[in-house]
Amino acid sequence: GAVVSQHPSWVICKSGTSVKIECRSLDFQATTMFWYRQFPKQSLMLMATSNEGSKATYEQGVEKDKFLINHASLTLSTLTVTSAHPEDSSFYICSARPGQGDSQPQHFGDGTRLSIL
Amino acid sequence: GQSLEQPSEVTAVEGAIVQINCTYQTSGFYGLSWYQQHDGGAPTFLSYNALDGLEETGRFSSFLSRSDSYGYLLLQELQMKDSASYFCAVSPPDSGGYQKVTFGTGTKLQVIP
Repeated sequence: GAVVSQHPSWVICKSGTSVKIECRSLDFQATTMFWYRQFPKQSLMLMATSNEGSKATYEQGVEKDKFLINHASLTLSTLTVTSAHPEDSSFYICSARPGQGDSQPQHFGDGTRLSIL
Repeated sequence: GQSLEQPSEVTAVEGAIVQINCTYQTSGFYGLSWYQQHDGGAPTFLSYNALDGLEETGRFSSFLSRSDSYGYLLLQELQMKDSASYFCAVSPPDSGGYQKVTFGTGTKLQVIP
């Protein structure tokens, strides 16, 4: 089945550091990928839609200068959390759909747990 | 906008049947999906309802009633490994063709011996 790989799985760093998270579709091409953030015991909140070859579309309330998204190829999207602070600590998950149509399920990466000290 | 409400927690006994409800307020959507997420893990797809009625996939079934703005996930023959969080989800038609997904509030299911 379709596989989405996310790296790294765990990051611990100091406040003020920028952190890059990679999301790869391993066996399919994804013109669109999605980035979510999930706080403990809460649902997944869509942050942005990553579009290959064009600018990402951010959800309301998400700072585009804080969360930089690059989708340079059909199999790779990156999320960079710039100048991270403790309030950015969260579980970040990417997803992609291998085919067209709403019935095609989203396939998720294993997530990145980000802890800012 | 989209709003999908679920009970926050449900507890059920191993071997039993449990129903997880999802009530929604939305301007429209293509279909209702269900995902399972174990603690610390990624969500995995369980079921999809494009039309009203019941869809069965092994031990899991999902139901949708658009007229009642309601759906549910039914888990039969519960196993301990079914302890996880369950999310309903929709793709709104105003998502610009990008098929983005809005998730429900989530239900944490605890299966007890």
